[in-house]
Amino acid sequence: DAGVTQSPTHLIKTRGQQVTLRCSPKSGHDTVSWYQQALGQGPQFIFQYYEEEERQRGNFPDRFSGHQFPNYSSELNVNALLLGDSALYLCASSDQSEQYFGPGTRLTVT
Amino acid sequence: EDQVTQSPEALRLQEGESSSLNCSYTVSGLRGLFWYRQDPGKGPEFLFTLYSAGEEKEKERLKATLTKKESFLHITAPKPEDSATYLCAVQAYGGATNKLIFGTGTLLAVQP
Repeated sequence: DAGVTQSPTHLIKTRGQQVTLRCSPKSGHDTVSWYQQALGQGPQFIFQYYEEEERQRGNFPDRFSGHQFPNYSSELNVNALLLGDSALYLCASSDQSEQYFGPGTRLTVT
Repeated sequence: EDQVTQSPEALRLQEGESSSLNCSYTVSGLRGLFWYRQDPGKGPEFLFTLYSAGEEKEKERLKATLTKKESFLHITAPKPEDSATYLCAVQAYGGATNKLIFGTGTLLAVQP
């Protein structure tokens, strides 16, 4: 049984560019959450998707947007990248309560 | 505001030297408290969920306990492979999601 998968593993972008990160949830999970983890910090909640709808958003600007597909996979889009967007982006899937994380995408903005 | 504080920030132990990590939390209504292990550059790995004060869970050399204000992760006779960052997170009642609120973690180094 495959766990949560994310792609790509690493990504380098320039300020002002746009990026799309992808996540496939654990089998049987219908809810996907995205988190941003800066170096030395705990993960920060960005938003959560369920039934293809955004259910709640954390304290992140509108430059951060997402999508969930009918097969429950999800994308995170970030527009107009800033240096401060450099971080590990984590996807977590869940069915009821416990959330299982993917390996993350390391985004570096230069 | 819901908040999680972990201490110490870093802990260095000798192999076999038992210790405890602390997670203090402030939450309007606790739905669950979670412990994760995170290796450098990787995603958090789920360890335990605790739901009510007095609850305890064990896995190999790790034991997690919960009170109304804090949780402890006890590490008994640690080995070098236990070296990692240990993250604590809470879920609160209310709202449409089961989002996790994390602390900043405790970086554990176990020396042989």
